[in-house]
This record gives sequence, structure tokens and C-alpha cells, in this order.
Amino acid sequence: EPEVTQTPSHQVTQMGQEVILRCVPISNHLYFYWYRQILGQKVEFLVSFYNNEISEKSEIFDDQFSVERPDGSNFTLKIRSTKLEDSAMYFCASSISTDTQYFGPGTRLTVL
Amino acid sequence: EDQVTQSPEALRLQEGESSSLNCSYTVSGLRGLFWYRQDPGKGPEFLFTLYSAGEEKEKERLKATLTKKESFLHITAPKPEDSATYLCAVQPRGTDKLIFGTGTRLQVFP
Repeated sequence: EPEVTQTPSHQVTQMGQEVILRCVPISNHLYFYWYRQILGQKVEFLVSFYNNEISEKSEIFDDQFSVERPDGSNFTLKIRSTKLEDSAMYFCASSISTDTQYFGPGTRLTVL
Repeated sequence: EDQVTQSPEALRLQEGESSSLNCSYTVSGLRGLFWYRQDPGKGPEFLFTLYSAGEEKEKERLKATLTKKESFLHITAPKPEDSATYLCAVQPRGTDKLIFGTGTRLQVFP
């Protein structure tokens, strides 16, 4: 069964450094998403992406964040200058239509 | 403001002891309601999508139902492998995003 994959599984970085989280969505899906989950809290929406552009973003998704689909298979989330409060699990999701979203296993980001 | 509240926060069941998890929601217009299962340190795993009041979906020991204000996830004769956090999410009309509740942490003991 096709699934969303994410790399790395765990990323440790120093405050102020840039990180790129990578995702390979399910191959025939057209809509892509990033969510995050701070330890012990709700899963929160960050951004949705369709047809090579952002379709929706949350208040969390400020100028420090960017997304890109650099080729036909990868979808990336870049955080330009990480802060301590960016420490969280980051989940990528994809969907065929704007309907059921399938999530990846997540990347645990630890900012020191 | 669109909102999802799940109860109870945690539930401990004996194997075979059936129960229900609640998801109450307020949303300007509902596009869909989703149930996911999440194991520790993993991503949400899709279970069900419900679109309109009165709709029901079943999968093995799980059954999800929907009214205009809430959804229930019924677990019949649970097994220890059903232990996980169950997440409810709503998708408001006119948006792609999912709004999640905090989840119900279910533990099933043999």
C-alpha cells in the first residue's frame, strides 16, 4: 500500500540554523500539507500546497517558513532560522483531492 | 471559531469491554469529519471520513457515527492492539485544513 515517507526521522539543530524537512507524498496525490505537533499538544495545520503554490497557510506559517516541490516527487518544508519553540514533530500529508489526508511518520525536530 | 473537543482524555478498558469516544465540534460549515489513530511517536493513521449527519462507517471493531454537533467512535470488544490515541478532526467548508482535537488515549488491558 502506498504511503507518505519523511526524512530524516529525527533532526537536531542549533537555534538560528536553517533546516529542511523532506517528504515524498503518495505518487498520484495532488494536494500536499504540513502539520506540526508540539509534545503533548494538538496536531496543528501549517500550510497546504497545490499546483505548485501555497493554497492556504496558518498564522504559525510566518516568513521563517517556506515550502517547495523541487521535483516531481519531493515536498519540502524549510525553516530559515530555527527557534527553541520550533521543536515539534512535523508531519507531511497528501491527498488525491481536498478530502482524506494521509500522513507520514513525521520528523522530530529538536532545536537546542 | 471552529473547534474540536474530545472526551474522555484517557480511557482504560479491559479486553472485551466495549465503549465509546466522543468528539464534539463547532464549525461554520462542515466539509468532513475524520477519525485517525495515532501510536506513540508516529503519524496519524486514517480510519474514517464522515460527511453528513446520520452517516455511519465501520471497520473491524470500530464504528464511527456523526450528528450535527458530535461524532462517536464506538469500540466493540477491544483488544490490547487497539491501544492508541484516537484523534478527531474537522475540515470546515471552504478550506483544506484539518482542525484536530487533543485526542483520547485508549489503553486496553488483557
